[in-house]
Amino acid sequence: EVQLVESGGGLVKPGGSLRLSCAASGFTFSSYSMNWVRQAPGKGLEWVSSISSSSSYIYYADSVKGRFTISRDNAKNSLYLQMNSLRAEDTAVYYCARIVEYMDVWGKGTTVTVSS
Amino acid sequence: IQLTQSPSFLSASVGDRVTITCRASQGISSYLAWYQQKPGKAPKLLIYAASTLQSGVPSRFSGSGSGTEFTLTISSLQPEDFATYYCQQLNSYPFTFGPGTKVDIK
Repeated sequence: EVQLVESGGGLVKPGGSLRLSCAASGFTFSSYSMNWVRQAPGKGLEWVSSISSSSSYIYYADSVKGRFTISRDNAKNSLYLQMNSLRAEDTAVYYCARIVEYMDVWGKGTTVTVSS
Repeated sequence: IQLTQSPSFLSASVGDRVTITCRASQGISSYLAWYQQKPGKAPKLLIYAASTLQSGVPSRFSGSGSGTEFTLTISSLQPEDFATYYCQQLNSYPFTFGPGTKVDIK
C-alpha cells in the first residue's frame, strides 16, 4: 500500500524550531518529487515547499523562505522539513504529498502549534 | 499565479448537478488539479490535468477547461460529496491553491 506518514509536530514557542518527518512506503520514493502543504485552523491549503527526486531542485513559498529547509534521505525513504524562527502564523496541520504533475498521495498530517 | 474559485459556498441537495469554477490570473495550460477535503482529513485528488479523472474516483465527477478558466462538475450530488473542493495550479512555482468551495447540504 502506498503510504505517507508524518511525524514531529507539537507545541513550540514563537522563535523556536521543529523538524517534521514524513516516512514513505509502498512506492519507489527516490523516483518522486515531494512536497509539504499546510493548512491553518479553519483556513485553506497552502503549498509550503517542494524537493525534486534527487534534491537538485528545491522551492519554497515566500512565507517560509529563509526559515524552513526541506530535505530528503532516499536511503531512508524519508522527507523532512526543518522549521526555524517559528511564528504564530505557522500554526497549521502540515501534510507531505507525493507529486508527479499533481499531488496524488497525501499523508494524514501532523499538527504544529506555535504559542507562548 | 492567483486562483479564484466561485462560489465560495454552495448549498445543494442530493441529486443536484453542481458546478464550481476556478479562474487563474494567467494562463496555466491544463496544469490544474481538483481536490476534495472532508473535515479532519487530508485532501484527496479528484481530477488532474484539468480533465483526467483520478483512478477510483466516481464518474459523476468531471473537469474541463484550459488556459485561465476551469470547472469541476458533479453530475448528481451524493451524500458523501459534501465537502470542500480546492483547485490547484501546477504550471509554475509556487503551486498555488484556490481558496476553496464548501458544498453543504440544503
